[in-house]
Amino acid sequence: AQSVTQLDSHVSVSEGTPVLLRCNYSSSYSPSLFWYVQHPNKGLQLLLKYTSAATLVKGINGFEAEFKKSETSFHLTKPSAHMSDAAEYFCVVSDISGGSNYKLTFGKGTLLTVNP
Amino acid sequence: NAGVTQTPKFQVLKTGQSMTLQCAQDMNHEYMSWYRQDPGMGLRLIHYSVGAGITDQGEVPNGYNVSRSTTEDFPLRLLSAAPSQTSVYFCASSYALINYGYTFGSGTRLTVV
Repeated sequence: AQSVTQLDSHVSVSEGTPVLLRCNYSSSYSPSLFWYVQHPNKGLQLLLKYTSAATLVKGINGFEAEFKKSETSFHLTKPSAHMSDAAEYFCVVSDISGGSNYKLTFGKGTLLTVNP
Repeated sequence: NAGVTQTPKFQVLKTGQSMTLQCAQDMNHEYMSWYRQDPGMGLRLIHYSVGAGITDQGEVPNGYNVSRSTTEDFPLRLLSAAPSQTSVYFCASSYALINYGYTFGSGTRLTVV
């Protein structure tokens, strides 16, 4: 069975400082991994995805994530936070479980606060 | 604009009432799903479809029905609303089962009183 653990429910940073949102996963197969962002009262927007190509993945708005199989991690980073980055972030794992059954599993989310 | 359209955006129901949440996409995606989002729980899969005429249950299907008569539409029906179904509901679609991200609708905020 696959699972996703977002290690921090809330992260607070100052504008202009680095962002690190941590995600660990477990999967029986070779997973695809995603980060989504949700701004208040909005739907989810895809930030980036890992699909077994390059382990360092670049996404929109300056975000990056590195897939580390040995650590089963897929942490999200950004060198310099902007006020507009304040939102909730979800780490998601997707693989084929139970044969042909599809399953997409969401972490419980990390709320990012950016202080001026 | 291409994407996933959900209606209505807000709805208040009385316990026992039924209703249908609408979802339509114009990207010719085969795969569509319904999720509910509750505080501290992330998103949980209710039902999904891998193509017209094919649906299956997710992790929290009780109290909900779906059908997929066309590629574009994937409505979610609440049979007899209960307060426990108060939630934000998201419809999502994707080109493929894996390796592709999902496109999400803007959500339906449902309150059952």
